[in-house]
Amino acid sequence: DAGITQSPRHKVTETGTPVTLRCHQTENHRYMYWYRQDPGHGLRLIHYSYGVKDTDKGEVSDGYSVSRSKTEDFLLTLESATSSQTSVYFCAISGSSGRGAGTDTQYFGPGTRLTVL
Amino acid sequence: SQKIEQNSEALNIQEGKTATLTCNYTNYSPAYLQWYRQDPGRGPVFLLLIRENEKEKRKERLKVTFDTTLKQSLFHITASQPADSATYLCALGGNSGYALNFGKGTSLLVTP
Repeated sequence: DAGITQSPRHKVTETGTPVTLRCHQTENHRYMYWYRQDPGHGLRLIHYSYGVKDTDKGEVSDGYSVSRSKTEDFLLTLESATSSQTSVYFCAISGSSGRGAGTDTQYFGPGTRLTVL
Repeated sequence: SQKIEQNSEALNIQEGKTATLTCNYTNYSPAYLQWYRQDPGRGPVFLLLIRENEKEKRKERLKVTFDTTLKQSLFHITASQPADSATYLCALGGNSGYALNFGKGTSLLVTP
């Protein structure tokens, strides 16, 4: 998985509780992404980062926030989880250090299965 | 609105045959297109990238074509094997900065 870990791998939580998912990379890639994958919808981009403290919204960003204080870590936070946020969440990275726009391969982590009851 | 369409029905083929998967898109002008493989319970794995000025790309048993006039990419696996059974995703990029937009994927089942 190209030096990408996600934690936790599985989580069950209750509606209204805050949840933070962590993505950690050892590849020194510039770009990091959070996706969710649901049956019938495929992979949808939540937020992405193009550098430390530089983030932007994706297609389905409502209800999610992100932070990137270090190159290697990208956190996804659900401030108040809802049942509609039950999903599998994937982190991805791209763009080796020093390269330009992230037009190249994206490498994905193993995923986090989140269930909101 | 932007749309990426892949066959929603699973593709079942016999071992040794060529599998052909389709990716169609509308309201897009992608700079490049990528194909990924995803196995159950795992993250997608990159297979091939083809740019808008390229017609065809090959890698071992894999071949990708890209027709920007038809707004279509075809993904071929020749001499298919049961180990090729997986879901295959196409992804378009270059329109919105660094992010990719993925299709929903097509499931391929290769039977012995």
